[in-house]
Amino acid sequence: DTAVSQTPKYLVTQMGNDKSIKCEQNLGHDTMYWYKQDSKKFLKIMFSYNNKELIINETVPNRFSPKSPDKAHLNLHINSLELGDSAVYFCASESVEEKLFFGSGTQLSVL
Amino acid sequence: AQSVAQPEDQVNVAEGNPLTVKCTYSVSGNPYLFWYVQYPNRGLQFLLKYITGDNLVKGSYGFEAEFNKSQTSFHLKKPSALVSDSALYFCAAIPSNDYKLSFGAGTTVTVRA
Repeated sequence: DTAVSQTPKYLVTQMGNDKSIKCEQNLGHDTMYWYKQDSKKFLKIMFSYNNKELIINETVPNRFSPKSPDKAHLNLHINSLELGDSAVYFCASESVEEKLFFGSGTQLSVL
Repeated sequence: AQSVAQPEDQVNVAEGNPLTVKCTYSVSGNPYLFWYVQYPNRGLQFLLKYITGDNLVKGSYGFEAEFNKSQTSFHLKKPSALVSDSALYFCAAIPSNDYKLSFGAGTTVTVRA
């Protein structure tokens, strides 16, 4: 069983569209994250939720809205997509030992 | 400001030779330190971590890392590199007074046969 799964793996869309990326973890962790990896492979934290509550919100445009319906899920909704949003987005969950388990990533291409 | 630095964008070694990937940190207190590896088109995988105790930490796939408080470094090492170790390696740190993990910019390791 995949510990952290995110869908879709690839997402190609037009500028201005609204899209969502889903993430689920079956590890029983309380804390989940969204990271953005840019074209230079630089990893930047976007959001963190602990047991459905937002605890980290980095300087991300408010077009990005995370949603955590329960502690096993952390979805990312993006409104009015822009060219600069093209990147790989990684979901992760965190163990009590602060070890991160990452999903395989969603490559978003905005045309 | 808290930061993690990986001074080398790329490291190239021959198979069988020792591999070192450098990392220095600038965080307050006694940080928790991590190494993650990203294989092509894959998510990141945990390699090892240092919290306290022995300065030499052993991790997955034969990797180890040495914590050096005086030099604020946490270099990743492997005595004998394999071609399959070719990947992107990230150092990361959590300050003791925070919960936010900061990643270095990553080092691409290429091991040639």
